[in-house]
This record gives sequence, C-alpha cells and structure tokens, in this order.
Amino acid sequence: KNQVEQSPQSLIILEGKNCTLQCNYTVSPFSNLRWYKQDTGRGPVSLTIMTFSENTKSNGRYTATLDADTKQSSLHITASQLSDSASYICVVSPLGFGNEKLTFGTGTRLTIIP
Amino acid sequence: DAGVIQSPRHEVTEMGQEVTLRCKPISGHDYLFWYRQTMMRGLELLIYFNNNVPIDDSGMPEDRFSAKMPNASFSTLKIQPSEPRDSAVYFCASSFSGTWWISGRDEQYFGPGTRLTVT
Repeated sequence: KNQVEQSPQSLIILEGKNCTLQCNYTVSPFSNLRWYKQDTGRGPVSLTIMTFSENTKSNGRYTATLDADTKQSSLHITASQLSDSASYICVVSPLGFGNEKLTFGTGTRLTIIP
Repeated sequence: DAGVIQSPRHEVTEMGQEVTLRCKPISGHDYLFWYRQTMMRGLELLIYFNNNVPIDDSGMPEDRFSAKMPNASFSTLKIQPSEPRDSAVYFCASSFSGTWWISGRDEQYFGPGTRLTVT
C-alpha cells in the first residue's frame, strides 16, 4: 500500500472555479510535506513546503493545509486558470531526512476547461 | 542558470540494447537524484549522490541499472540490457542541501525528464 494516497485521481473543472485536492499519508514521523505541480512533459515544480508544525501555507492562488493528527493534507486552488491544468503531487519526507527520502503520491490530474 | 539539463529528451530503443541517460545538475548543488516515473507507481527514487558519491542505490531495480557521477557537473544512468518494462520517464533532480531546516536551500529542482520507450 502506498504511503501517500491522493484523491481524486483526476478532476475536471470550469475555469474560474475553485477546487480542493486531497492527500492522506501514513509516513510517520515526518518532517515536511510538499505539494508539486507537474505540467505535461515537464518535471515537477514545488508549490509549497510545510513542516509538521505548520498547518497552512499559501503560494498565490494555491493554499495547502496540513492536519498532522489525521495525517491529511489538502491543496486548494482558487479562481482556477487554464494554466492550472497539470498533475499535482503530494510528497512526504520522513523525520530526520531532508529530501533524500521523499515518498511521492501518484498525483491528481487536474484539467481546467474554458 | 539553465536549470537541470537532461539528454536525450526522448529515447526509443529495442529490447536488449544499452541505454545511457545524461544529466547536468544546477551548478553549486551537492545532491543529485535519479527518479523513474510511471503511471502505475508514480515517482520512485532510484539513486542519489552527495558530492558525487552514491549514497543510496536501494531503489535501483536490478543489476541492469547503474549510475555514475564522475564530477559535480555530470551524471549518467545506464540500463544494460534494456527491457520493455523499463519504459518510463526518467528524471534527474538536484538540490543544494539535504537538510530541510535550512529554509529555501533544500528545494529539489527537477530536469525535464527523458522519456524512454523500449520495444
């Protein structure tokens, strides 16, 4: 069983609408949780990094939340744009490591339609 | 800086052939990572180097895979012999430090990837 589960696997929304992507993890203890955006044909790019003591982090229209008690994180996208169409990957780093031991989710494929 | 550079971007080869993927990390970065990405398994770490030394190769699937980093600006991932199940996108990434508490300095930067198809 994957230690980082994401839902939904795919999502289609209209431009301008908001959406929320979910991430459940079992990696424990952990030091930080990251959200990456991966455009088609490109490598992942970091959106947010949260330590275990943080519960929210924003990057423009992207807001990540973290509940370490329930081991859940979400990524909320506000006022979606066509350029938000991409895969969004949740990544967890176990305690004591930086990025040497990242555990990746399989991602949520988001499609924004005009 | 041009970012992490990978070559080739696409590789199509026949089963049994040797494949070499190349990576140039961002100048000044001391960590280099090789990942494989498939639809079924997502991103998986194959091996990583620190200061050109391989630290953890436990993710390398089998002896057919090997990686080297002869200097700070170049690394290769070799598959010999290649098999159809090796078909995937292979990413190289680099970072300045593995310690997350050095804020903003342990971010991992990915290259554009090499799409490998083994027929």
